[in-house]
Amino acid sequence: KAGVTQTPRYLIKTRGQQVTLSCSPISGHRSVSWYQQTPGQGLQFLFEYFSETQRNKGNFPGRFSGRQFSNSRSEMNVSTLELGDSALYLCASSFNGPDTQYFGPGTRLTVL
Amino acid sequence: GENVEQHPSTLSVQEGDSAVIKCTYSDSASNYFPWYKQELGKGPQLIIDIRSNVGEKKDQRIAVTLNKTAKHFSLHITETQPEDSAVYFCAASGGGGADGLTFGKGTHLIIQP
Repeated sequence: KAGVTQTPRYLIKTRGQQVTLSCSPISGHRSVSWYQQTPGQGLQFLFEYFSETQRNKGNFPGRFSGRQFSNSRSEMNVSTLELGDSALYLCASSFNGPDTQYFGPGTRLTVL
Repeated sequence: GENVEQHPSTLSVQEGDSAVIKCTYSDSASNYFPWYKQELGKGPQLIIDIRSNVGEKKDQRIAVTLNKTAKHFSLHITETQPEDSAVYFCAASGGGGADGLTFGKGTHLIIQP
């Protein structure tokens, strides 16, 4: 069974731009969660999508948004990028919620 | 919200010895506690998990124990090998799809040959 895939693997953007990251979950998984990983703050929960609906949200500003498609693939969007948004963005999938989540390799975003 | 503390931040052990990493959590409603291993350049890999109705779980050289009263859980790795070198994260959640995972800050485990 193929694992969680994320594209692109690396991105370089400048302040003020916006970015869209993509995640394809493990086949059969309907829950997709997104996390931000930085050296200072560690791994932080952004939001979770289940059956195309945002079911839970972490403590991040509205510039961070996402969506999920009918095939469970998910995208995450960050608008008006700031230097502090530089991070590894990780996607995780599961059958339902945080239980037994499997992570993808991440997208490394650098904001200049 | 939930808060997870993880210790130590760095742990160096001799190959073949055991390693223990400890975590405490704050929310007594949390009921799911996974452990992840992250190698350089990769995403976290789920290595073992435990639910609040179980006190201990083992999988070959890896075991996790949970003390709900004290709100702490631990990862035990026996007979450590060089490939065990990585950063390990504990996490907690309320389960049932209600919350995301709250992670500890991680432990860098170094296996000395």
